[in-house]
Amino acid sequence: EIVLTQSPATLSLSPGEGATLSCRASQSVTTKIAWYQQKPGEAPRLLIFDASVRATGIPARFRGSGSGTEFTLTINSLQSEDFGVYYCQHYNNWPPITFGQGTRLE
Amino acid sequence: EVYLVQSGAEVKKSGELLKISCKGSGYIFSRYWIAWVRQMPGKGLEWMGIIYPDDSDTRYSPSFQGEVTISGDKTSSYAYLQWSSLKASDTATYYCARMTDQGLDVWGQGTTVSVSS
Repeated sequence: EIVLTQSPATLSLSPGEGATLSCRASQSVTTKIAWYQQKPGEAPRLLIFDASVRATGIPARFRGSGSGTEFTLTINSLQSEDFGVYYCQHYNNWPPITFGQGTRLE
Repeated sequence: EVYLVQSGAEVKKSGELLKISCKGSGYIFSRYWIAWVRQMPGKGLEWMGIIYPDDSDTRYSPSFQGEVTISGDKTSSYAYLQWSSLKASDTATYYCARMTDQGLDVWGQGTTVSVSS
């Protein structure tokens, strides 16, 4: 089973700053990585799929990159609504589908 | 617009049976896989299993195989997650989500299950 490791566990930043979140896969998942945002009490929301494609309605300040085993989610100029928990997930040759453990952006 | 609407919160006791539901609308329900995801209190997301409603092809995470049953009814656009005997450790929020070649693109609002011993 492919393991996804996210870092850092927690990222403490202020509005207006930039954020860089990482996701490392234990073996290649090509570009079959998605990123999700979850706010307290809400369901996760798809942000990025295929490593770098923004989902419908996702602002341009969210950018995904990477391939193989190393992936990055970059958020430019943080807005107050961007704070929450971010998960990466792979869907290469699923099942199984696995999630990273999450990065809390506070 | 595409929606997944889940059944309401449940409060149960250990050993009881439970079946929660997820109803799709706004798309051809039978043509997309539906995944179930567990989130224990304060913890991350865990994939439990997935079903293709058109033919009921079902796959389970090894962690949940034998612990839950996933089923579906394509005629009424429902997917289900059920337990035959709940445990306190099943206390969690459970999400259904539509799986596409773009990941889990639509999520239900979640069903909170509380199990007391």
